[in-house]
Amino acid sequence: LAKTTQPISMDSYEGQEVNITCSHNNIATNDYITWYQQFPSQGPRFIIQGYKTKVTNEVASLFIPADRKSSTLSLPRVSLSDTAVYYCLVGDPGRGDTGRRALTFGSGTRLQVQP
Amino acid sequence: NAGVTQTPKFQVLKTGQSMTLQCAQDMNHEYMSWYRQDPGMGLRLIHYSVGAGITDQGEVPNGYNVSRSTTEDFPLRLLSAAPSQTSVYFCASSYRGTPSYNSPLHFGNGTRLTVT
Repeated sequence: LAKTTQPISMDSYEGQEVNITCSHNNIATNDYITWYQQFPSQGPRFIIQGYKTKVTNEVASLFIPADRKSSTLSLPRVSLSDTAVYYCLVGDPGRGDTGRRALTFGSGTRLQVQP
Repeated sequence: NAGVTQTPKFQVLKTGQSMTLQCAQDMNHEYMSWYRQDPGMGLRLIHYSVGAGITDQGEVPNGYNVSRSTTEDFPLRLLSAAPSQTSVYFCASSYRGTPSYNSPLHFGNGTRLTVT
């Protein structure tokens, strides 16, 4: 099972940029890196996904170095509504050995945004 | 599309009772999975399936059984409920994907289970 390590918690203020780094030393060639956001009493929801280099969408950016053993989620100008738990996953449910297809969450990073 | 549908939303069981948590998806997703989330904790993978007729264990499979007789449905069975299984259960599914794209997980709204 692909394992990830993230900081347990982070604090920020409204308007700041937040960077959350995830370590995934045993990432496999076919694995994608995906980040999710979870609010209390809800299921996680997709934020961004990448394979290498940099990916940007309307919500966030994802930076992946060449060795792909880590990734950084960047949230520009956070607001109070960005207070949530953020998870990174590595894996590929479509290819490889069955065991590599399991998508496991780490403990996530609890982001608290203050006014 | 309904997406991923979980039933029931809430359930209270007594120790030793059995029940089945239902999960259905209408997106023709090959991959389906069950997670449990305890208060203040992350999600832990219970069982997963990469296609009809194929299931495998995740991180915390003990006390749970699954089957995948159709692409759409992936029920989770508790054979003899224990207080340690009190948790929120999430079902999630994903498309198989291609070499250039990997479909993210789509989650249901969860089932809150209490075992007394």
